[in-house]
Amino acid sequence: SSELTQDPAVSVGLGQTVRITCQGDSIRNYYAGWYQQKPGQAPLLVMYAINNRPSGIPDRFSGSRSGDTASLTITGAQAEDEADYYCNSRDRSGDHVLFGGGTKLTVL
Amino acid sequence: QVQLQESGPGLVKPSETLSLTCTVSGGSISKYYWSWIRQPPGKALQWIGYVYYSGSTSYNPSLKSRVTISVDTSKNQLSLKLNSVTAADTAVYYCARGTLGVYHYYMDVWGKGATVTVPS
Repeated sequence: SSELTQDPAVSVGLGQTVRITCQGDSIRNYYAGWYQQKPGQAPLLVMYAINNRPSGIPDRFSGSRSGDTASLTITGAQAEDEADYYCNSRDRSGDHVLFGGGTKLTVL
Repeated sequence: QVQLQESGPGLVKPSETLSLTCTVSGGSISKYYWSWIRQPPGKALQWIGYVYYSGSTSYNPSLKSRVTISVDTSKNQLSLKLNSVTAADTAVYYCARGTLGVYHYYMDVWGKGATVTVPS
Protein backbone atom coordinates (compact mmCIF):
# COMPACT_ATOMS: atom_id res chain seq x y z
CA SER A 1 0.00 0.00 0.00
CA SER A 2 1.14 3.56 -0.70
CA GLU A 3 -0.93 4.98 2.13
CA LEU A 4 -0.42 5.88 5.77
CA THR A 5 -3.27 4.86 8.07
CA GLN A 6 -4.11 6.66 11.31
CA ASP A 7 -6.98 6.19 13.76
CA PRO A 8 -9.45 9.02 13.14
CA ALA A 9 -9.88 9.90 16.79
CA VAL A 10 -8.25 9.15 20.13
CA SER A 11 -8.98 10.47 23.61
CA VAL A 12 -6.86 10.67 26.75
CA GLY A 13 -7.37 11.83 30.29
CA LEU A 14 -5.53 14.90 31.48
CA GLY A 15 -2.09 13.85 32.67
CA GLN A 16 -2.39 10.38 31.20
CA THR A 17 -0.37 8.77 28.42
CA VAL A 18 -1.58 8.35 24.85
CA ARG A 19 -0.07 6.75 21.78
CA ILE A 20 -1.00 7.83 18.25
CA THR A 21 -0.09 5.41 15.49
CA CYS A 22 0.68 5.60 11.78
CA GLN A 23 0.73 2.38 9.79
CA GLY A 24 1.97 1.80 6.26
CA ASP A 25 4.44 -0.22 4.19
CA SER A 26 6.71 2.79 3.67
CA ILE A 27 7.27 3.05 7.43
CA ARG A 28 9.39 -0.13 7.19
CA ASN A 29 11.95 1.80 5.14
CA TYR A 30 11.43 5.45 5.99
CA TYR A 31 11.10 7.46 9.17
CA ALA A 32 7.88 9.23 10.01
CA GLY A 33 7.47 12.89 10.78
CA TRP A 34 4.67 14.04 13.08
CA TYR A 35 2.76 17.30 12.92
CA GLN A 36 0.37 18.93 15.37
CA GLN A 37 -2.37 21.13 13.94
CA LYS A 38 -4.72 23.23 16.02
CA PRO A 39 -7.87 24.78 14.54
CA GLY A 40 -7.13 27.63 12.15
CA GLN A 41 -3.38 27.14 12.41
CA ALA A 42 -0.66 25.73 10.20
CA PRO A 43 0.80 22.34 11.12
CA LEU A 44 3.73 22.28 13.53
CA LEU A 45 6.48 19.66 13.35
CA VAL A 46 6.67 17.88 16.70
CA MET A 47 8.77 14.80 15.86
CA TYR A 48 11.06 13.63 13.08
CA ALA A 49 13.43 10.76 12.29
CA ILE A 50 11.72 8.40 14.73
CA ASN A 51 12.49 10.18 18.01
CA ASN A 52 13.90 13.65 17.40
CA ARG A 53 12.09 16.70 18.76
CA PRO A 54 12.50 20.12 17.17
CA SER A 55 13.55 22.90 19.48
CA GLY A 56 10.70 24.05 21.70
CA ILE A 57 8.72 20.81 21.63
CA PRO A 58 8.15 19.51 25.19
CA ASP A 59 9.87 16.28 26.15
CA ARG A 60 6.53 14.67 26.97
CA PHE A 61 6.41 13.98 23.22
CA SER A 62 8.34 10.92 22.06
CA GLY A 63 8.44 8.77 18.96
CA SER A 64 9.09 5.15 18.06
CA ARG A 65 8.80 2.65 15.23
CA SER A 66 8.05 -1.05 15.09
CA GLY A 67 7.78 -2.79 11.73
CA ASP A 68 5.31 -0.91 9.57
CA THR A 69 3.99 1.29 12.37
CA ALA A 70 5.31 4.59 13.69
CA SER A 71 4.03 5.95 16.99
CA LEU A 72 3.88 9.31 18.67
CA THR A 73 3.50 9.07 22.44
CA ILE A 74 2.47 11.89 24.75
CA THR A 75 3.35 11.13 28.36
CA GLY A 76 1.32 13.29 30.71
CA ALA A 77 -1.02 14.86 28.17
CA GLN A 78 -1.91 18.49 28.71
CA ALA A 79 -4.99 20.40 27.64
CA GLU A 80 -2.93 22.27 25.06
CA ASP A 81 -2.07 18.98 23.34
CA GLU A 82 -5.63 18.69 22.07
CA ALA A 83 -5.23 18.93 18.31
CA ASP A 84 -5.12 17.00 15.06
CA TYR A 85 -1.96 14.98 14.54
CA TYR A 86 -0.64 13.96 11.12
CA CYS A 87 2.18 11.64 10.21
CA ASN A 88 4.17 11.76 6.99
CA SER A 89 6.89 9.77 5.31
CA ARG A 90 8.38 9.16 1.93
CA ASP A 91 6.44 6.64 -0.12
CA ARG A 92 7.73 3.14 -0.88
CA SER A 93 9.54 4.35 -4.00
CA GLY A 94 11.16 7.13 -2.01
CA ASP A 95 10.26 9.61 -4.74
CA HIS A 96 7.14 11.10 -3.23
CA VAL A 97 5.74 12.21 0.12
CA LEU A 98 2.74 10.81 1.96
CA PHE A 99 0.55 12.13 4.75
CA GLY A 100 -1.65 10.05 6.99
CA GLY A 101 -5.32 10.85 7.32
CA GLY A 102 -4.85 12.48 10.70
CA THR A 103 -5.87 11.68 14.28
CA LYS A 104 -8.02 14.02 16.32
CA LEU A 105 -6.77 13.94 19.90
CA THR A 106 -9.19 14.91 22.65
CA VAL A 107 -7.86 15.57 26.15
CA LEU A 108 -10.59 14.85 28.70
CA GLN B 1 14.13 33.06 12.00
CA VAL B 2 12.86 31.78 8.68
CA GLN B 3 9.32 32.80 7.78
CA LEU B 4 7.17 31.80 4.83
CA GLN B 5 4.32 33.79 3.35
CA GLU B 6 1.92 32.50 0.73
CA SER B 7 0.22 34.96 -1.60
CA GLY B 8 -2.11 34.85 -4.55
CA PRO B 9 -5.77 35.13 -5.60
CA GLY B 10 -8.29 33.79 -3.12
CA LEU B 11 -10.84 33.01 -5.81
CA VAL B 12 -10.16 31.11 -9.02
CA LYS B 13 -12.75 30.29 -11.65
CA PRO B 14 -13.32 26.68 -12.72
CA SER B 15 -11.04 25.50 -15.55
CA GLU B 16 -8.57 28.33 -14.90
CA THR B 17 -5.09 28.17 -13.37
CA LEU B 18 -4.43 28.59 -9.67
CA SER B 19 -1.19 30.51 -9.07
CA LEU B 20 0.42 31.03 -5.68
CA THR B 21 3.76 32.39 -4.55
CA CYS B 22 5.63 31.64 -1.35
CA THR B 23 8.16 34.22 -0.19
CA VAL B 24 10.94 33.05 2.10
CA SER B 25 12.31 35.63 4.53
CA GLY B 26 14.94 35.46 7.24
CA GLY B 27 16.93 32.75 5.53
CA SER B 28 18.13 31.32 2.26
CA ILE B 29 16.11 29.17 -0.08
CA SER B 30 19.23 27.13 -0.78
CA LYS B 31 19.83 23.55 0.33
CA TYR B 32 16.20 22.73 1.11
CA TYR B 33 13.32 20.94 -0.58
CA TRP B 34 10.36 23.32 -0.58
CA SER B 35 6.90 21.75 -0.54
CA TRP B 36 3.39 22.80 -1.32
CA ILE B 37 0.69 21.09 0.73
CA ARG B 38 -3.03 21.66 0.66
CA GLN B 39 -5.92 20.97 3.02
CA PRO B 40 -9.53 20.95 1.80
CA PRO B 41 -12.07 22.16 4.37
CA GLY B 42 -12.39 19.62 7.17
CA LYS B 43 -10.03 17.17 5.49
CA ALA B 44 -6.48 15.89 5.80
CA LEU B 45 -3.25 17.35 4.53
CA GLN B 46 -2.28 16.44 0.98
CA TRP B 47 1.25 16.83 -0.35
CA ILE B 48 1.27 18.49 -3.77
CA GLY B 49 4.97 18.42 -4.56
CA TYR B 50 8.36 19.88 -3.80
CA VAL B 51 11.12 21.76 -5.53
CA TYR B 52 14.80 21.74 -4.68
CA TYR B 53 16.60 25.06 -4.80
CA SER B 54 18.38 23.77 -7.92
CA GLY B 55 14.99 23.48 -9.63
CA SER B 56 14.48 19.72 -9.57
CA THR B 57 10.96 18.68 -8.64
CA SER B 58 8.78 15.83 -7.44
CA TYR B 59 4.99 15.82 -7.68
CA ASN B 60 2.13 13.89 -6.17
CA PRO B 61 1.22 11.35 -8.88
CA SER B 62 -2.48 12.18 -8.49
CA LEU B 63 -1.84 15.85 -9.38
CA LYS B 64 1.24 15.58 -11.58
CA SER B 65 -0.56 16.25 -14.87
CA ARG B 66 -1.83 19.61 -13.61
CA VAL B 67 0.96 20.91 -11.35
CA THR B 68 4.08 22.97 -11.87
CA ILE B 69 6.29 24.06 -8.96
CA SER B 70 9.25 26.33 -9.56
CA VAL B 71 11.80 28.32 -7.61
CA ASP B 72 13.34 31.75 -8.08
CA THR B 73 16.45 31.90 -5.93
CA SER B 74 17.10 35.55 -6.80
CA LYS B 75 13.79 36.49 -5.19
CA ASN B 76 13.81 33.77 -2.49
CA GLN B 77 10.45 32.62 -3.79
CA LEU B 78 8.78 29.44 -4.90
CA SER B 79 5.62 29.21 -6.91
CA LEU B 80 2.75 26.83 -7.52
CA LYS B 81 0.62 26.55 -10.62
CA LEU B 82 -2.33 24.17 -10.75
CA ASN B 83 -4.28 24.22 -13.97
CA SER B 84 -7.80 23.19 -14.94
CA VAL B 85 -9.09 23.69 -11.40
CA THR B 86 -12.46 22.49 -10.14
CA ALA B 87 -14.33 22.92 -6.88
CA ALA B 88 -12.39 19.92 -5.55
CA ASP B 89 -9.28 22.12 -5.55
CA THR B 90 -10.78 24.43 -2.94
CA ALA B 91 -8.40 24.29 0.02
CA VAL B 92 -5.93 26.07 2.23
CA TYR B 93 -2.58 25.93 0.45
CA TYR B 94 0.60 25.85 2.53
CA CYS B 95 4.23 26.16 1.58
CA ALA B 96 6.78 24.51 3.84
CA ARG B 97 10.54 24.07 4.13
CA GLY B 98 11.55 20.45 3.82
CA THR B 99 14.59 18.38 4.60
CA LEU B 100 15.16 15.31 2.47
CA GLY B 101 17.34 12.59 3.96
CA VAL B 102 18.12 9.01 3.03
CA TYR B 103 15.35 7.81 5.30
CA HIS B 104 13.05 10.75 5.69
CA TYR B 105 11.39 13.89 4.46
CA TYR B 106 10.06 16.28 7.03
CA MET B 107 8.86 19.88 6.98
CA ASP B 108 9.99 22.11 9.83
CA VAL B 109 8.85 25.59 8.79
CA TRP B 110 5.37 26.32 7.44
CA GLY B 111 3.61 29.36 6.11
CA LYS B 112 0.29 30.42 7.58
CA GLY B 113 -1.55 29.20 4.50
CA ALA B 114 -3.57 30.80 1.72
CA THR B 115 -7.23 30.00 1.23
CA VAL B 116 -8.21 29.37 -2.37
CA THR B 117 -11.81 28.89 -3.39
CA VAL B 118 -13.00 27.50 -6.70
CA PRO B 119 -16.77 27.97 -6.99
CA SER B 120 -18.83 25.09 -8.25
